Amino acid sequence: AQSVTQLDSQVPVFEEAPVELRCNYSSSVSVYLFWYVQYPNQGLQLLLKYLSGSTLVKSINGFEAEFNKSQTSFHLRKPSVHISDTAEYFCAVNPLGYQKVTFGTGTKLQVIP
Amino acid sequence: GAGVSQSPSNKVTEKGKDVELRCDPISGHTALYWYRQSLGQGLEFLIYFQGNSAPDKSGLPSDRFSAERTGGSVSTLTIQRTQQEDSAVYLCASSSPPLAGGETQYFGPGTRLLVL
Repeated sequence: AQSVTQLDSQVPVFEEAPVELRCNYSSSVSVYLFWYVQYPNQGLQLLLKYLSGSTLVKSINGFEAEFNKSQTSFHLRKPSVHISDTAEYFCAVNPLGYQKVTFGTGTKLQVIP
Repeated sequence: GAGVSQSPSNKVTEKGKDVELRCDPISGHTALYWYRQSLGQGLEFLIYFQGNSAPDKSGLPSDRFSAERTGGSVSTLTIQRTQQEDSAVYLCASSSPPLAGGETQYFGPGTRLLVL
């Protein structure tokens, strides 16, 4: 079985400041890793994912996440946040060869003007 | 649009009544998932359908919950004898082949269920 831990339920940050949303996972097998985002009053959508290859993956809106196998982490970072980044962010893990995905409890990012 | 659709968008019911929630996945997507999103609980996996295979029902919280998928497309989640703790947003997602893991899930807007 696998699990995902997002320790921070809420993260307030000032506009243009950097942010890191933490995600740790546990699994007995290799995994694929995802970050999904849910903007206010909208459905979840994929932000970025790690399947293989380079451990650093990037989204089109400036977020990046690095897969760290030794620390079983997949933290999400952005060097300078915008008001429009205010949303809830979910980390998820998917064991290789299986379709079932386990989600974390989510982190609400609140960007303060 | 070509996205995942769910109906109804909102449902208010009385304790003890049965409810049916519907999901229309993206055309061609053979995998379909149901999740429950409760305040502070994240996304709770309920059930997963893949093509004609037996569904993975390991996340269903009780025997009051059931789901079916007809013709490999539309799915219905049924909650019998609803309880107040069933109040939540029910999300449906679908994904496309090759289904070796790692596929992106496409989510519907959800059905917000309130049990009075």
